Amino acid sequence: RKEVEQDPGPFNVPEGATVAFNCTYSNSASQSFFWYRQDCRKEPKLLMSVYSSGNEDGRFTAQLNRASQYISLLIRDSKLSDSATYLCVVPRMDSSYKLIFGSGTRLLVRP
Amino acid sequence: GAVVSQHPSWVICKSGTSVKIECRSLDFQATTMFWYRQFPKQSLMLMATSNEGSKATYEQGVEKDKFLINHASLTLSTLTVTSAHPEDSSFYICSAPGTSGTYEQYFGPGTRLTVT
Repeated sequence: RKEVEQDPGPFNVPEGATVAFNCTYSNSASQSFFWYRQDCRKEPKLLMSVYSSGNEDGRFTAQLNRASQYISLLIRDSKLSDSATYLCVVPRMDSSYKLIFGSGTRLLVRP
Repeated sequence: GAVVSQHPSWVICKSGTSVKIECRSLDFQATTMFWYRQFPKQSLMLMATSNEGSKATYEQGVEKDKFLINHASLTLSTLTVTSAHPEDSSFYICSAPGTSGTYEQYFGPGTRLTVT
Protein backbone atom coordinates (compact mmCIF):
# COMPACT_ATOMS: atom_id res chain seq x y z
CA ARG A 1 0.00 0.00 0.00
CA LYS A 2 1.32 3.45 -0.89
CA GLU A 3 2.07 5.80 1.98
CA VAL A 4 -0.29 8.40 0.54
CA GLU A 5 -2.96 7.68 -2.06
CA GLN A 6 -5.21 10.03 -3.93
CA ASP A 7 -7.77 9.75 -6.69
CA PRO A 8 -6.05 11.44 -9.64
CA GLY A 9 -9.33 12.79 -11.04
CA PRO A 10 -9.88 15.00 -12.86
CA PHE A 11 -12.89 16.33 -11.01
CA ASN A 12 -14.74 18.53 -13.47
CA VAL A 13 -17.26 20.77 -11.71
CA PRO A 14 -19.19 23.93 -12.55
CA GLU A 15 -18.47 27.21 -10.88
CA GLY A 16 -20.22 27.46 -7.54
CA ALA A 17 -20.24 23.73 -6.92
CA THR A 18 -19.02 21.99 -3.80
CA VAL A 19 -16.38 19.35 -4.35
CA ALA A 20 -14.52 17.02 -2.02
CA PHE A 21 -11.39 14.95 -2.37
CA ASN A 22 -10.17 12.16 -0.15
CA CYS A 23 -6.66 11.04 0.63
CA THR A 24 -5.74 7.83 2.43
CA TYR A 25 -2.55 7.33 4.35
CA SER A 26 -0.93 4.11 5.49
CA ASN A 27 0.83 5.03 8.73
CA SER A 28 -1.65 5.11 11.58
CA ALA A 29 0.87 6.98 13.73
CA SER A 30 0.80 10.07 11.49
CA GLN A 31 -0.15 13.17 13.45
CA SER A 32 0.12 15.99 10.94
CA PHE A 33 -1.33 16.35 7.49
CA PHE A 34 -1.21 18.98 4.81
CA TRP A 35 -3.00 19.95 1.66
CA TYR A 36 -0.93 21.71 -0.98
CA ARG A 37 -2.10 23.28 -4.19
CA GLN A 38 0.00 22.97 -7.32
CA ASP A 39 -0.69 24.83 -10.53
CA CYS A 40 0.62 23.48 -13.81
CA ARG A 41 4.40 23.76 -14.08
CA LYS A 42 4.62 25.59 -10.75
CA GLU A 43 5.84 24.76 -7.28
CA PRO A 44 3.40 23.43 -4.66
CA LYS A 45 1.96 25.95 -2.20
CA LEU A 46 0.62 25.15 1.23
CA LEU A 47 -3.15 25.43 1.36
CA MET A 48 -3.98 24.02 4.75
CA SER A 49 -2.51 22.13 7.71
CA VAL A 50 -4.46 19.55 9.70
CA TYR A 51 -3.27 18.61 13.17
CA SER A 52 -6.43 17.43 14.91
CA SER A 53 -9.86 16.57 13.64
CA GLY A 54 -9.99 19.24 11.01
CA ASN A 55 -9.42 22.79 9.89
CA GLU A 56 -11.43 25.40 8.08
CA ASP A 57 -10.25 28.43 6.12
CA GLY A 58 -12.90 30.30 4.21
CA ARG A 59 -14.30 28.07 1.48
CA PHE A 60 -11.87 25.27 2.29
CA THR A 61 -12.42 22.64 4.97
CA ALA A 62 -10.11 19.76 5.76
CA GLN A 63 -11.27 16.87 7.90
CA LEU A 64 -9.35 14.01 9.41
CA ASN A 65 -10.74 10.54 10.02
CA ARG A 66 -8.15 8.66 12.03
CA ALA A 67 -10.18 5.47 12.31
CA SER A 68 -10.31 5.09 8.55
CA GLN A 69 -7.00 6.80 7.96
CA TYR A 70 -8.09 9.40 5.50
CA ILE A 71 -8.23 13.15 5.24
CA SER A 72 -10.59 15.06 3.04
CA LEU A 73 -10.58 18.47 1.46
CA LEU A 74 -13.90 20.18 0.81
CA ILE A 75 -14.12 23.21 -1.43
CA ARG A 76 -17.35 25.19 -1.35
CA ASP A 77 -18.55 27.69 -3.95
CA SER A 78 -15.83 26.65 -6.41
CA LYS A 79 -14.14 29.40 -8.38
CA LEU A 80 -12.46 29.15 -11.75
CA SER A 81 -9.21 30.00 -9.98
CA ASP A 82 -9.53 26.86 -7.85
CA SER A 83 -8.59 24.79 -10.91
CA ALA A 84 -5.34 23.13 -9.92
CA THR A 85 -3.90 19.89 -8.60
CA TYR A 86 -4.35 19.31 -4.88
CA LEU A 87 -1.61 17.35 -3.17
CA CYS A 88 -2.08 15.45 0.05
CA VAL A 89 1.08 15.45 2.15
CA VAL A 90 2.12 13.62 5.29
CA PRO A 91 5.41 13.91 7.17
CA ARG A 92 7.83 11.05 7.37
CA MET A 93 7.81 9.32 10.70
CA ASP A 94 11.58 9.40 11.10
CA SER A 95 11.76 12.81 12.77
CA SER A 96 13.51 14.21 9.72
CA TYR A 97 10.81 16.79 8.93
CA LYS A 98 10.73 15.44 5.42
CA LEU A 99 7.44 15.27 3.55
CA ILE A 100 5.74 12.54 1.54
CA PHE A 101 3.61 13.86 -1.30
CA GLY A 102 0.61 12.19 -2.84
CA SER A 103 0.35 12.23 -6.61
CA GLY A 104 -2.44 14.75 -6.46
CA THR A 105 -6.07 15.18 -7.45
CA ARG A 106 -6.76 17.40 -10.41
CA LEU A 107 -9.67 19.82 -10.20
CA LEU A 108 -11.15 21.60 -13.19
CA VAL A 109 -13.75 24.26 -12.50
CA ARG A 110 -15.70 25.24 -15.59
CA PRO A 111 -17.73 28.43 -16.17
CA GLY B 1 7.65 35.26 3.63
CA ALA B 2 10.88 33.49 2.87
CA VAL B 3 11.82 33.32 -0.81
CA VAL B 4 13.65 30.55 -2.62
CA SER B 5 14.76 31.02 -6.19
CA GLN B 6 15.90 28.53 -8.80
CA HIS B 7 17.91 29.01 -11.92
CA PRO B 8 17.36 28.29 -14.70
CA SER B 9 13.59 28.01 -14.82
CA TRP B 10 13.88 25.73 -17.82
CA VAL B 11 16.69 24.15 -19.76
CA ILE B 12 17.04 21.97 -22.82
CA CYS B 13 20.20 19.96 -23.19
CA LYS B 14 21.54 17.19 -25.36
CA SER B 15 21.95 13.63 -24.20
CA GLY B 16 25.30 13.07 -22.54
CA THR B 17 25.82 16.61 -21.33
CA SER B 18 25.64 17.88 -17.77
CA VAL B 19 23.26 20.47 -16.42
CA LYS B 20 23.58 22.51 -13.24
CA ILE B 21 20.54 23.82 -11.38
CA GLU B 22 20.92 26.44 -8.66
CA CYS B 23 18.72 26.88 -5.63
CA ARG B 24 19.10 30.03 -3.54
CA SER B 25 17.50 31.23 -0.35
CA LEU B 26 17.15 34.96 -0.93
CA ASP B 27 16.34 36.42 2.46
CA PHE B 28 17.34 33.74 4.92
CA GLN B 29 20.03 31.17 5.50
CA ALA B 30 19.42 27.52 4.84
CA THR B 31 21.77 24.91 6.22
CA THR B 32 19.55 22.25 4.68
CA MET B 33 17.78 22.15 1.34
CA PHE B 34 15.71 19.42 -0.26
CA TRP B 35 15.78 18.43 -3.92
CA TYR B 36 12.69 16.89 -5.46
CA ARG B 37 11.87 15.50 -8.88
CA GLN B 38 8.41 15.38 -10.36
CA PHE B 39 7.44 13.48 -13.51
CA PRO B 40 4.21 14.41 -15.31
CA LYS B 41 1.09 13.49 -13.35
CA GLN B 42 3.17 12.04 -10.56
CA SER B 43 4.02 13.16 -7.07
CA LEU B 44 7.04 15.09 -5.93
CA MET B 45 9.70 12.57 -5.01
CA LEU B 46 12.46 13.56 -2.64
CA MET B 47 15.82 12.87 -4.26
CA ALA B 48 18.27 14.11 -1.69
CA THR B 49 18.91 16.41 1.22
CA SER B 50 21.62 18.99 0.75
CA ASN B 51 23.61 19.90 3.83
CA GLU B 52 25.81 22.97 4.06
CA GLY B 53 29.37 22.00 4.81
CA SER B 54 28.84 18.26 4.54
CA LYS B 55 27.83 15.59 2.08
CA ALA B 56 24.32 15.35 0.76
CA THR B 57 22.18 12.41 1.80
CA TYR B 58 20.43 10.61 -1.01
CA GLU B 59 17.14 8.75 -1.00
CA GLN B 60 17.09 5.09 -1.82
CA GLY B 61 17.42 4.49 -5.55
CA VAL B 62 18.90 7.89 -6.38
CA GLU B 63 22.38 7.68 -7.91
CA LYS B 64 24.66 10.07 -6.08
CA ASP B 65 27.25 10.00 -8.85
CA LYS B 66 24.66 11.04 -11.39
CA PHE B 67 23.00 13.74 -9.33
CA LEU B 68 25.80 15.75 -7.77
CA ILE B 69 24.79 18.08 -4.99
CA ASN B 70 26.92 20.88 -3.60
CA HIS B 71 25.83 23.12 -0.75
CA ALA B 72 28.60 25.66 -0.97
CA SER B 73 27.14 28.35 1.24
CA LEU B 74 24.26 29.04 3.57
CA THR B 75 22.21 30.43 0.69
CA LEU B 76 23.12 28.24 -2.28
CA SER B 77 22.71 24.61 -3.18
CA THR B 78 23.35 23.22 -6.65
CA LEU B 79 22.18 20.04 -8.33
CA THR B 80 24.16 18.84 -11.32
CA VAL B 81 22.61 16.20 -13.53
CA THR B 82 25.59 14.47 -15.11
CA SER B 83 25.53 12.63 -18.42
CA ALA B 84 21.89 13.48 -18.85
CA HIS B 85 19.55 11.08 -20.64
CA PRO B 86 16.05 11.66 -21.96
CA GLU B 87 14.62 9.79 -18.98
CA ASP B 88 16.10 12.49 -16.73
CA SER B 89 13.69 14.98 -18.28
CA SER B 90 11.57 16.14 -15.39
CA PHE B 91 10.59 19.03 -13.15
CA TYR B 92 13.20 19.59 -10.44
CA ILE B 93 12.16 21.55 -7.37
CA CYS B 94 14.18 22.58 -4.36
CA SER B 95 12.93 23.65 -0.97
CA ALA B 96 14.31 24.94 2.27
CA PRO B 97 12.90 24.12 5.68
CA GLY B 98 11.06 26.87 7.48
CA THR B 99 10.77 27.44 11.18
CA SER B 100 12.79 24.92 13.11
CA GLY B 101 10.70 22.15 14.55
CA THR B 102 7.91 22.46 11.99
CA TYR B 103 7.17 20.81 8.67
CA GLU B 104 7.09 24.13 6.88
CA GLN B 105 9.05 24.21 3.62
CA TYR B 106 9.68 27.08 1.23
CA PHE B 107 9.70 25.86 -2.34
CA GLY B 108 11.59 27.23 -5.27
CA PRO B 109 9.68 27.77 -8.52
CA GLY B 110 11.19 24.68 -10.12
CA THR B 111 13.34 23.93 -13.12
CA ARG B 112 12.00 22.07 -16.11
CA LEU B 113 14.70 19.95 -17.70
CA THR B 114 14.30 18.49 -21.16
CA VAL B 115 17.00 16.18 -22.47
CA THR B 116 16.94 15.59 -26.21
